[in-house]
Amino acid sequence: ILNVEQSPQSLHVQEGDSTNFTCSFPSSNFYALHWYRWETAKSPEALFVMTLNGDEKKKGRISATLNTKEGYSYLYIKGSQPEDSATYLCAFMGYNNNDMRFGAGTRLTVKP
Amino acid sequence: DVKVTQSSRYLVKRTGEKVFLECVQDMDHENMFWYRQDPGLGLRLIYFSYDVKMKEKGDIPEGYSVSREKKERFSLILESASTNQTSMYLCASSSRGGGKLFFGSGTQLSVL
Repeated sequence: ILNVEQSPQSLHVQEGDSTNFTCSFPSSNFYALHWYRWETAKSPEALFVMTLNGDEKKKGRISATLNTKEGYSYLYIKGSQPEDSATYLCAFMGYNNNDMRFGAGTRLTVKP
Repeated sequence: DVKVTQSSRYLVKRTGEKVFLECVQDMDHENMFWYRQDPGLGLRLIYFSYDVKMKEKGDIPEGYSVSREKKERFSLILESASTNQTSMYLCASSSRGGGKLFFGSGTQLSVL
């Protein structure tokens, strides 16, 4: 079983705070790393697909970085808003596989 | 609008029943996945398929089987449902080569 680990498990921040989460994954056999946002009562939606070491992706106030050699990715949210409240999942794909393994997620709550 | 459709949103079954969960995608995706989601455990991969009639075990295949007779349809089968299979089941699809996953809306299965 591939280990994809996320930390912290949950996070409570005030509106306007900036925050970040970590995803760690096997550094060997890397092919792709995905980030998803999963809001309550909805389906997970993709935020970023990252494939190259050193990749940085940005979508509005959310950005992500990737280090494939050491096996970690960071997701940053700048100026958190209540609508950012969700569970953020990362998923790892190995080079010789077609499967996607998810971490357990970071549950973010942004208080107004 | 691209879609992954799961046949039932809520399902209640009895222990020992055979249960079929159906998933259909309209994006001509090669890869299809079945996950279950339990509190604190994130999304765990049950089975996936990278082509018609092909299937691969994920991390927790015991008690489940799958069928992919057509490219657009991926079925999850619980041969003899048990109470520990009460869970949220999510189907997803993606293109070959690490593309982002598109998820269905999920099936909340309760086995009594």
